[in-house]
Amino acid sequence: DAKTTQPNSMESNEEEPVHLPCNHSTISGTDYIHWYRQLPSQGPEYVIHGLTSNVNNRMASLAIAEDRKSSTLILHRATLRDAAVYYCILRVDSGGGADGLTFGKGTHLIIQP
Amino acid sequence: GAGVSQSPRYKVAKRGQDVALRCDPISGHVSLFWYQQALGQGPEFLTYFQNEAQLDKSGLPSDRFFAERPEGSVSTLKIQRTQQEDSAVYLCASSLGLAAAYEQYFGPGTRLTVT
Repeated sequence: DAKTTQPNSMESNEEEPVHLPCNHSTISGTDYIHWYRQLPSQGPEYVIHGLTSNVNNRMASLAIAEDRKSSTLILHRATLRDAAVYYCILRVDSGGGADGLTFGKGTHLIIQP
Repeated sequence: GAGVSQSPRYKVAKRGQDVALRCDPISGHVSLFWYQQALGQGPEFLTYFQNEAQLDKSGLPSDRFFAERPEGSVSTLKIQRTQQEDSAVYLCASSLGLAAAYEQYFGPGTRLTVT
């Protein structure tokens, strides 16, 4: 399975943008890039996903490198509520559908007030 | 609308007891997934269903773990003869389908403690 690499932790200040990187150098052409986050004592929460083009939604933006070997999750204005573990996950579609999500260790995002 | 719900939220079982964990997916979601999350770790995939069909159970840790979704909606994860290493948060997620483009929506989890 294609794997992802993320920094263990990152720190940012409240009300500033946050750029969370993810490397996925073995990504295949049909693999989707998904981001989830998990706040303390909660289940994971879907954030955003994309295939080739950059994506925006109300929570975040996803910037995908032209060669698709890396991506960056962008939180435009971090709040204390964004403190969480962020997971970058590749979803591989074998034709019959994709299996469950493979969570790595993720990036622990710390927001300083 | 209503999200994924799980019950009970907390369960304490004595070693050797059987437990049943329930998941109510989002209405209309045909795919349902179970994950196990040990303390301080990321969730690990256990099994998943497309409607009532269990398509992959390779992630179930042992034959003491059993999942079912008889009518393609509510699902139950059963653990027989619980052991201390089964202590974890069990997460359920549902999705519109299995395609890689679909996102999964998670419930709050059931925290199982085996004493």
